[in-house]
Amino acid sequence: DMKVTQMPRYLIKRMGENVLLECGQDMSHETMYWYRQDPGLGLQLIYISYDVDSNSEGDIPKGYRVSRKKREHFSLILDSAKTNQTSVYFCASRLGGSAETLYFGSGTRLTVL
Amino acid sequence: GDSVTQTEGQVTVSESKSLIINCTYSATSIGYPNLFWYVRYPGEGLQLLLKVITAGQKGSSRGFEATYNKEATSFHLQKASVQESDSAVYYCAPTGTQVVGQLTFGRGTRLQVYA
Repeated sequence: DMKVTQMPRYLIKRMGENVLLECGQDMSHETMYWYRQDPGLGLQLIYISYDVDSNSEGDIPKGYRVSRKKREHFSLILDSAKTNQTSVYFCASRLGGSAETLYFGSGTRLTVL
Repeated sequence: GDSVTQTEGQVTVSESKSLIINCTYSATSIGYPNLFWYVRYPGEGLQLLLKVITAGQKGSSRGFEATYNKEATSFHLQKASVQESDSAVYYCAPTGTQVVGQLTFGRGTRLQVYA
């Protein structure tokens, strides 16, 4: 069963705390993504990972970092969270080229107080 | 400006009526991409609705259709008769060639279908 799993689904943190969002996929996809979605802005790309330890910044990487030590796991880390990082975060994966489908997780709703 | 422009905000349609959600993209920014529509149902992640990778071709799924119009750089989503279960947020997503692996998403169009 092809699946992208995100944990947790909901998270509330205080400003300045560290945040770890986790994503896993069971399809051995090489490429994985982190997006955030805010009302009226669609999906904004934070980071792309092309494989283990092969990560590239997306459009809005500031304030975030990522880790990919295994092909099936891709983590998003917020060191010292800020209130403007309140958002819904989506992880996605894809097998290969640009004609391939993205598979998305169900999202993590992060609230930073 | 945006490299992908789709019908903004919310579209409200009566059940059994027709629907069109517009999507145009910038060939200057994206090139001649593969074209996708994704849908997000309440409480779920995005999932593929349909895709077309060849100019001039039409994709279809669940009663929805979209044609890759290279000349107009458009990929409008249409359905002849919507149902309440179609209520969701729809995203147009061309896959550009400028950055390997990167998709550009439209801002999403929320469709609300009422009985």
